[in-house]
This record gives sequence, structure tokens and C-alpha cells, in this order.
Amino acid sequence: GENVEQHPSTLSVQEGDSAVIKCTYSDSASNYFPWYKQELGKRPQLIIDIRSNVGEKKDQRIAVTLNKTAKHFSLHITETQPEDSAVYFCAARNTGTASKLTFGTGTRLQVTL
Amino acid sequence: EAQVTQNPRYLITVTGKKLTVTCSQNMNHEYMSWYRQDPGLGLRQIYYSMNVEVTDKGDVPEGYKVSRKEKRNFPLILESPSPNQTSLYFCASSKQDSPLHFGNGTRLTVT
Repeated sequence: GENVEQHPSTLSVQEGDSAVIKCTYSDSASNYFPWYKQELGKRPQLIIDIRSNVGEKKDQRIAVTLNKTAKHFSLHITETQPEDSAVYFCAARNTGTASKLTFGTGTRLQVTL
Repeated sequence: EAQVTQNPRYLITVTGKKLTVTCSQNMNHEYMSWYRQDPGLGLRQIYYSMNVEVTDKGDVPEGYKVSRKEKRNFPLILESPSPNQTSLYFCASSKQDSPLHFGNGTRLTVT
């Protein structure tokens, strides 16, 4: 089955700096890669996703890049703000096995003033 | 409002006492699944369902049961809970090839 590894497990950045979280996946058939943000005590919420026919996607301060050959994808947050502090999860899915979404172990991002 | 509703939000029980966590979605989603979240382990899938009467095991199904008798409901059943099932549980749903929508979670403590 799919295995998703996520690094780092914790990340501390100063406000205004950039943050990068990296994930690797094992199943070359995976073709959908979402990122979820989970604030303390709340449910995970989708912040951005990318499909395997695209190499990069951007939404304001958030971008995701995908390297299919190397089987890794990354989340980039620019101009970080205190409200970006949360746990971030990457995930991978083969849409041929629709509900089988495999998550990474999460990255706790802390943005300090 | 489109949502996934889980109940209860908090549950404290004792070893061996059967319990059910309910999950309901109002978005007519075909796919529903249960995850447990534990520190350092991320979100691990317990069971999932691709449609009514179609369920399959996820990565950590031991000690759990599910049923999908109606499209909107996907209850999680612990027949004989044990302390290692103390966790935060999330139900989620989606249409095929669409993002997962999560419920608000159920924090279960088994003593």
C-alpha cells in the first residue's frame, strides 16, 4: 500500500519568513495530493491540493510543488503570519481507489513574532 | 449548511463496554471513512465505504466495525473497547475524486 513520509515533524519560523514542508510517497499510481491544516482542537481542513498532471499550484501565500519522478511534493508558505501556526498534513491518493487517502504524520508549524 | 456531523464530541467509557460513534453527512457523498489521530502517528484510516453496503478495511481496522445501510450515515462501532483505542476519531466524506470533508472529531477515552 501507499506510504507517505513527512518532514520535518516540527518547524519554527519567524513571522514574515517562508516555511517549507516536504513529503514523499511510495505508490507511483498516486495522482492526487492534498494538504490539510489542523488548528488546535479543530478538524483538518483542506488548504490546497494538486493533481499529478500539474507540477505546481499557487493560492496567494501558499504553493505546492510536485515532482512525480522523485515521488515527492512540498508545501511552501511565504510571508508567514501567526495564524499560520497549526499542524499541517500531506496526503496521497490513487483516485482509482477513491477513498484510500494516506496521510503523512504531520508537521507542527509555529510562527513566532 | 454542508457538513459532516459526528456524535458524541467527547466520550469516556470503560473497557469492554460496547459503544457507537455516529457520523452523518448531508452532501450526498458516496465515500465515507473513519480515521483515528494519535500523537506522532498522524491520521490513520480505520475503515472506508465507497457506497451503501460497500465497506472495506483501512490500515488499522482491528477492534472496529462499521456499517453503511444508508448513504448519509456511517457509524463506527467498538464492540469491546480497550485502552489502546483511546484516541481522537474523525469521520470524513467526499464525492469521487474530490477533497475529503472532515467532521469535528470525537475524543474517546477508554479506562
